[in-house]
Amino acid sequence: AQKVTQAQTEISVVEKEDVTLDCVYETRDTTYYLFWYKQPPSGELVFLIRRNSFDEQNEISGRYSWNFQKSTSSFNFTITASQVVDSAVYFCALTRGSYSSASKIIFGSGTRLSIRP
Amino acid sequence: EAGVAQSPRYKIIEKRQSVAFWCNPISGHATLYWYQQILGQGPKLLIQFQNNGVVDDSQLPKDRFSAERLKGVDSTLKIQPAKLEDSAVYLCASSRVAGRLTDTQYFGPGTRLTVL
Repeated sequence: AQKVTQAQTEISVVEKEDVTLDCVYETRDTTYYLFWYKQPPSGELVFLIRRNSFDEQNEISGRYSWNFQKSTSSFNFTITASQVVDSAVYFCALTRGSYSSASKIIFGSGTRLSIRP
Repeated sequence: EAGVAQSPRYKIIEKRQSVAFWCNPISGHATLYWYQQILGQGPKLLIQFQNNGVVDDSQLPKDRFSAERLKGVDSTLKIQPAKLEDSAVYLCASSRVAGRLTDTQYFGPGTRLTVL
């Protein structure tokens, strides 16, 4: 069975602080994909990143960075020098790498991030 | 490029009533998804269409929920009759490539349903 756990329900930090959102996943597949989505107050989920199970290189995109560690089944997301506009709910998600009728995208329960001015 | 459109944005109904949601995906996207997002939870996939055929509806409560995708473009999701536990945001998403869950999904703004 596949499962995604985001243990942090809510995080609140002061602007310009760095913040890390944790994501732990469970899967028996050797090929899988991990995602992060941002859901601002407007409600739309915005795609941030996709990473396949064979690529453990960390990725940096501006103030965002992702740390993928298969050894601990974690795919953590760090925002450096946070800004008020980063306030949103962030979801981690998992899916199988190969398509089958049993494939589904499994989302975590989300972490609500509040950045205080 | 226009995004995924959904309507209505909000809907309030009494239990046992019927309701329908509409989704217009990004032009040219082969795959369309409907998700249910209950407050405080992540989205849960209800149904996935590839062009106008159903690929996966294993998590769709078929006794009350139905969905169709006409001509492989727009889609409607219907609930009949609604229950209190159906209160949620219903999200529509589309992706370009057919048959690949790994393809990036683009989401609409959702329809917030309140069942009283």
